[in-house]
Amino acid sequence: ETGVTQTPRHLVMGMTNKKSLKCEQHLGHNAMYWYKQSAKKPLELMFVYSLEERVENNSVPSRFSPECPNSSHLFLHLHTLQPEDSALYLCASSQDWDRAHYGELFFGEGSRLTVL
Amino acid sequence: AQKVTQAQTEISVVEKEDVTLDCVYETRDTTYYLFWYKQPPSGELVFLIRRNSFDEQNEISGRYSWNFQKSTSSFNFTITASQVVDSAVYFCALSEGRPGTYKYIFGTGTRLKVLA
Repeated sequence: ETGVTQTPRHLVMGMTNKKSLKCEQHLGHNAMYWYKQSAKKPLELMFVYSLEERVENNSVPSRFSPECPNSSHLFLHLHTLQPEDSALYLCASSQDWDRAHYGELFFGEGSRLTVL
Repeated sequence: AQKVTQAQTEISVVEKEDVTLDCVYETRDTTYYLFWYKQPPSGELVFLIRRNSFDEQNEISGRYSWNFQKSTSSFNFTITASQVVDSAVYFCALSEGRPGTYKYIFGTGTRLKVLA
């Protein structure tokens, strides 16, 4: 089983739909992250959860709503999205949030989102 | 402000050629960490190497080598005798700060195409 699993891998939605992205990590890590990857832009950190508590929210629009029910699962709830939100959404985990400063991040394969 | 610049958007080489991917960073901190990640077509970013700001020794791992030069704020990555499997997007990243305030910044990535 891969360390970080994301579902769905591909998602197409209209601007009025509500959908969710799911991330699950099997590494026993305590920190989980959502990143947005758009073409020709640096990866953008969206949210950080440490021990199921949100510790960082980088000015992300409220149409993106994260949820971390336990240290192994992370969701990104989507509603009323815009076409410019189309991107690859990557989930990552690390042993601990403060250790991520010098440790590696473990990424999932991403969910490719297209907003029509 | 933190910044990571990967000026090469895309590089194409023929198999067995050597190729160097450039990374230039900006930071005001004296303690920081630099990383390289590989993103194959499957999507997940895979950690390759970490360097802390106090360790300027170059590192070699098989066909991969890294050249860290604080004087020029560069952390370049060389692949020797490239192979088709090296085709991917490569990201350089910088992390600085203290627990609770650190920032992990990625560059825009360099797409490497190795042609058979």
